[in-house]
This record gives sequence, structure tokens and C-alpha cells, in this order.
Amino acid sequence: DTAVSQTPKYLVTQMGNDKSIKCEQNLGHDTMYWYKQDSKKFLKIMFSYNNKELIINETVPNRFSPKSPDKAHLNLHINSLELGDSAVYFCASSQDTGATTDTQYFGPGTRLTVL
Amino acid sequence: AQKVTQAQTEISVVEKEDVTLDCVYETRDTTYYLFWYKQPPSGELVFLIRRNSFDEQNEISGRYSWNFQKSTSSFNFTITASQVVDSAVYFCALISNAGNMLTFGGGTRLMVKP
Repeated sequence: DTAVSQTPKYLVTQMGNDKSIKCEQNLGHDTMYWYKQDSKKFLKIMFSYNNKELIINETVPNRFSPKSPDKAHLNLHINSLELGDSAVYFCASSQDTGATTDTQYFGPGTRLTVL
Repeated sequence: AQKVTQAQTEISVVEKEDVTLDCVYETRDTTYYLFWYKQPPSGELVFLIRRNSFDEQNEISGRYSWNFQKSTSSFNFTITASQVVDSAVYFCALISNAGNMLTFGGGTRLMVKP
């Protein structure tokens, strides 16, 4: 009965590789997000999608491409991985039918390590 | 622009002590929402509370209480009789009706020692 799930939980890869992180929510929410948490624990939004449409794209390199096949899924694909991409990536979702201020519920995070 | 400041980067207390985590925010909007999240050592982000800007009533939930003061733009979080399981990083966050992004503070690492 997990609300927001992410796979994988850990991802270790070499520089230059392409990788994907998957996110699914079973809360029936309309909006999903990706956040990046750096080594100093600072959390910053990367993208948000409302009903499969991109709403926020926060100056993220275009090596990062979110894909939302349906409103319950928001996957993050990263091309040509760099050392600086090492971080914890969190997926989140919120109800947001009409309002953009609903509570966001987070997945367990994916720790990405680029070697 | 929105900003959330958690001036205490790290706090260490002994079990059963009370501890207050400070949060100061900045926004030009009159309608906004404040949040606290907990990130235990296992890494997930757990939602604790959501407060809107028109409701300054303090809230208590078990050992947790929150003090919202618009006059000082603060939304402080107090844990009474702290326990080792309270050890975590706590984040304060803000979103406004005009903005569409949840802005986080830098977090406060709380260590509760037995």
C-alpha cells in the first residue's frame, strides 16, 4: 500500500552512462514532481507535471528528461551522467486539482552515485 | 521571491529535553502555506504539518507543537521530551498561491542522545 514509490533505491553507474529512475503514485494525485537533494541536504525542485503536462522546469540541464506516460507515473531519464549528478532524487505527488499548494508526499528517494 | 531560513544547522540534546527548531520565511504573497517535513536516517521525507497563512493558531500533536507568528514570519517547531527516535533532519518549507514551487529551508539536523 505504498503511496509514492521509486525504483531503484540505489543506483551506481559510470560517468557518461544513461540511466532512468521510475516513480509511481497510487494516491490518485494529479501532480507529480522531481526534486534533487545534494550532499548538503539542500532540496530543490527540478520538474513538476500536472496531468501529464510539464508545469515547472527549473533550469535543469537538458540531459535530464522527465516522462509522464500517465498521471500516476513520472520517470526521470538522465543522459551522459556526470559526477555532479550524484545526489538523492526524490519523487513527490500532490492532489492539486485547481490549487497548486496542496501537500506534497514524497517517495523514499533514489541515491544516485556517478563514478 | 520566496525564501526559508533555518538558522540552526545542527542541534544536539539529551533524551527528555525539549527542543525548538526555528524557521523564518520570506514571501510577498498574502496567501501561503508552511510545512514541516522530517527526514530520518533511513532517508525518506515524512510530512508532519501544513499551515495556511490565515490560521495563526498554534497546533499540538502529541509531543510535537508548532508556533506560527506572522508578525515575525516564523513557524517554529517544538519537540517536548525528545526521544532518540526524533533524531533526524527537519525541513521547513513554504509555497504561496502566487508561486507554484515548494521552497525548502536548509534543514536542521537534530541529534537526540540517550
